[in-house]
Amino acid sequence: QVQLVQSGAEVKKPGSSVKVSCKASGGTFSSYSISWVRQAPGQGLEWMGGIIPVFGATNYAQKFQGRVTITADESTSTVYMELSSLSSEDAAIYYCARDATSVWEPILTYYMDVWGKGTTVTVSS
Amino acid sequence: QSALTQPASVSGSPGQSITISCTGTSSDFGTYNYVSWYQQHPGKAPKLMIYDVTNRTSGISNRFSGFKSGNTASLTISGLQSEDEADYYCSSYTSINYVFGTGTKVTVL
Repeated sequence: QVQLVQSGAEVKKPGSSVKVSCKASGGTFSSYSISWVRQAPGQGLEWMGGIIPVFGATNYAQKFQGRVTITADESTSTVYMELSSLSSEDAAIYYCARDATSVWEPILTYYMDVWGKGTTVTVSS
Repeated sequence: QSALTQPASVSGSPGQSITISCTGTSSDFGTYNYVSWYQQHPGKAPKLMIYDVTNRTSGISNRFSGFKSGNTASLTISGLQSEDEADYYCSSYTSINYVFGTGTKVTVL
């Protein structure tokens, strides 16, 4: 059963960037889309974007276009999410999550069945 | 794209049934049936409960059921138990991206 292991908590200054990693272990990695979802304190879930590692294809929510970059390293089964120009509003827990179906399957469906434990990003001067 | 609309809170007594609604627009749900539901306990990551509108993921009690009609999806929890107290989020996939609901806090009285 695949597990997603995320990097540790980060403390960043306003205006800087943060890069969070998500390493897959115990299963196939590259043919499944990996998404990033964030949750501000006391708030709901917000999808930021995703990547299909085998294609390197990315898709970003309009809100984060130009400020987020999602990349993948197939050799280490790791996906990265970099968010720039941080403000206090970016303080949140950032989760990675894997789509349930491989891109090679004949019938695709869309939901996230495996989640990382989350990475807390604090933005403070 | 705006979040799907859920009631902020729903409560019920043990053994009762409750239903959480999730309302969007035609562009949120479209002709797709990619509606999923996630349970989140405090301090934990979301956990998949329901996918493709009605399908329970492995290990999830049949007390949880999903439904969709038009632009509204719903999650029903029957035989409410104390461990069901959590936040619940709906989600839909629309050809290019995911959108989540605003979230519903379920309280077991």
